[in-house]
Amino acid sequence: AQTIHQWPVAEIKAVGSPLSLGCTIKGKSSPNLYWYWQATGGTLQQLFYSITVGQVESVVQLNLSASRPKDDQFILSTEKLLLSHSGFYLCAWSLDWGASQNTLYFGAGTRLSVL
Amino acid sequence: AQKVTQTQTSISVMEKTTVTMDCVYETRDSSYFLFWYKQTASGEIVFLIRQDSYKKENATEGHYSLNFQKPKSSIGLIITATQIEDSAVYFCAMRDLASSSFSKLVFGQGTSLSVVP
Repeated sequence: AQTIHQWPVAEIKAVGSPLSLGCTIKGKSSPNLYWYWQATGGTLQQLFYSITVGQVESVVQLNLSASRPKDDQFILSTEKLLLSHSGFYLCAWSLDWGASQNTLYFGAGTRLSVL
Repeated sequence: AQKVTQTQTSISVMEKTTVTMDCVYETRDSSYFLFWYKQTASGEIVFLIRQDSYKKENATEGHYSLNFQKPKSSIGLIITATQIEDSAVYFCAMRDLASSSFSKLVFGQGTSLSVVP
């Protein structure tokens, strides 16, 4: 069975400080990976997706970047945090683009508070 | 552009009753996929059920079922015999394949369900 692990569980950071959030998928090779962001009480917004190692596509520009250094790892980062970066970050995976395989499954998320 | 709308902000129901949550969507494509997710109090997002647009039969999964009305661009989630632990925020989402955003799952605003004893 596939498992998805996000780290850290929560972060409290200062404005202007750097950030790195991680996500690891176990039990599936070459998954499609995604980063989503949710403001408190809001909906989910896709930030990035990746279909293979070293390839990341940006969906929304929020002064964040993402990388996929390994097949099973997805990293979200920024060099300077803004207050608007506060929220809930979720990593997700799907099997492939095929019609029967595109359900997304989410990790437990990371709560970020920028002060 | 894709759009998903959930007009019910919150619903409160008695335990063991049936509840329906509404969702309407917009897409230009003939082939698309509709999903319902549940977000628990801890923030965990759980996949519940999906409907493929080319399937005429309404999907069912345990005590979840869908009311898919394609001409109305509507996909309602029905929960029968509700339990206290069904209390959560429910999100409707859509994904199409033909547009350039085929990788993107677009979510609605969510409906908060409260199941009371």
